[in-house]
Amino acid sequence: SQTIHQWPATLVQPVGSPLSLECTVEGTSNPNLYWYRQAAGRGLQLLFYSVGIGQISSEVPQNLSASRPQDRQFILSSKKLLLSDSGFYLCAWSVRTGELFFGEGSRLTVL
Amino acid sequence: QQQVKQSPQSLIVQKGGISIINCAYENTAFDYFPWYQQFPGKGPALLIAIRPDVSEKKEGRFTISFNKSAKQFSLHIMDSQPGDSATYFCAASMSRIDMRFGAGTRLTVKP
Repeated sequence: SQTIHQWPATLVQPVGSPLSLECTVEGTSNPNLYWYRQAAGRGLQLLFYSVGIGQISSEVPQNLSASRPQDRQFILSSKKLLLSDSGFYLCAWSVRTGELFFGEGSRLTVL
Repeated sequence: QQQVKQSPQSLIVQKGGISIINCAYENTAFDYFPWYQQFPGKGPALLIAIRPDVSEKKEGRFTISFNKSAKQFSLHIMDSQPGDSATYFCAASMSRIDMRFGAGTRLTVKP
C-alpha cells in the first residue's frame, strides 16, 4: 500500500533562518507531488507541484522553493524565513485519477 | 487568485439535519470536482468527487450536486452526525494535476 511521510511535524524557527521540509512517498512510482500551505482559518494554497524529477511548477514564488531530487521525494525550502511563512504545510501525491493523498502536515511557526 | 469560491465559512447543524456547502468556480476548463474532509491536526482526505458530465453523485449520506451552466457545485450531508464535524473543502482541477481548493467550511454538528 502507498504511504506518505512528511517531516518534521512541528518546528519553530526565527525570522531569517533557513527551512527544509521533506516528504517521501512509498508504494507508487512517478506520482505527481504537491506542496500546499494552510494558514490559520484559511484554505489550502497550492505552492508547488511536480509531475516528474526536476520538473517543478511554482504557484507562489515568494521566498520559497521546491525540489524533487528523486522520483518519490519532494523538498520545500527557504533561505530566509519571513513571519508570513508561518502555517501548516501539507505534502500530497496523486496518480492519474486525480485523488490527492495528503501527509500529516508540518506546522511551522516563525518568530 | 481564488479560482474556487466556497460558502459558508462556518456552519452549525443539529444532529439529523442536512448540511449544505456551496462552491462556485470560474475556469470552465476544470474537469474534476472533489470534496475533501479535514479533521483538526490532520491532512485532508477525499470524501467524494464528480466530473462535469454528471449532475449528481451520491455516496451514502454524502451527495454532490453539479450545475455546469451556473458553474456551481454543492455538498449535501444528509442525517448529519457529530462525527461529521470537520472542515470541508471543495476543489477543482484541470487534467487532474493542479488542484485548486476553496477556503473551507467549518461544520459543527450539535448532538
